[in-house]
Amino acid sequence: QKEVEQDPGPLSVPEGAIVSLNCTYSNSAFQYFMWYRQYSRKGPELLMYTYSSGNKEDGRFTAQVDKSSKYISLFIRDSQPSDSATYLCAMSVWVEYGNKLVFGAGTILRVKS
Amino acid sequence: SQTIHQWPATLVQPVGSPLSLECTVEGTSNPNLYWYRQAAGRGLQLLFYSVGIGQISSEVPQNLSASRPQDRQFILSSKKLLLSDSGFYLCAWSVMGSEAFFGQGTRLTVV
Repeated sequence: QKEVEQDPGPLSVPEGAIVSLNCTYSNSAFQYFMWYRQYSRKGPELLMYTYSSGNKEDGRFTAQVDKSSKYISLFIRDSQPSDSATYLCAMSVWVEYGNKLVFGAGTILRVKS
Repeated sequence: SQTIHQWPATLVQPVGSPLSLECTVEGTSNPNLYWYRQAAGRGLQLLFYSVGIGQISSEVPQNLSASRPQDRQFILSSKKLLLSDSGFYLCAWSVMGSEAFFGQGTRLTVV
């Protein structure tokens, strides 16, 4: 079983739709939870970062963490064609020599105008 | 502010040739440093991470090695490249294991 599971999509939605992206994880030791956006042939860009259960909002983006269910989500409101990208969830866990980041496989999102 | 530099952006190398990819971070001290590989259409695979000079941890057995000769320099190397080493290589840094910031990546094609 992978430590982090993420539906690869692709997910295709019309402009203005609400998008829900999800990840599940198996390691209860994960402490920090992140969402990244990656455009083609570019490095991932950090969108959201949180370390506690609950919701965190930033503009059109809301990150949700449910540690009891080992489930995280990213919601995008009023989606735009410019939101078309691959979205990666990531989590970090303390290991013997420091923190290790583990990524999901990424979900491809296409927003149609 | 912190910045991360990764080069080259693209690289085409023949099978059996050596490899050296360099990553440097500016504006922070004692960062955690990471090398990831991303195959086409797939997620990020952690290759190496480092919490300090000379401290390297490897996640998967492979044809690659990493070194950290200075606090903010991280190098990915290979003595002899294989076709399977082709991919998109990403360097990243973080402080105290919190959010990570990525370079723009190196697209390596082994021919």
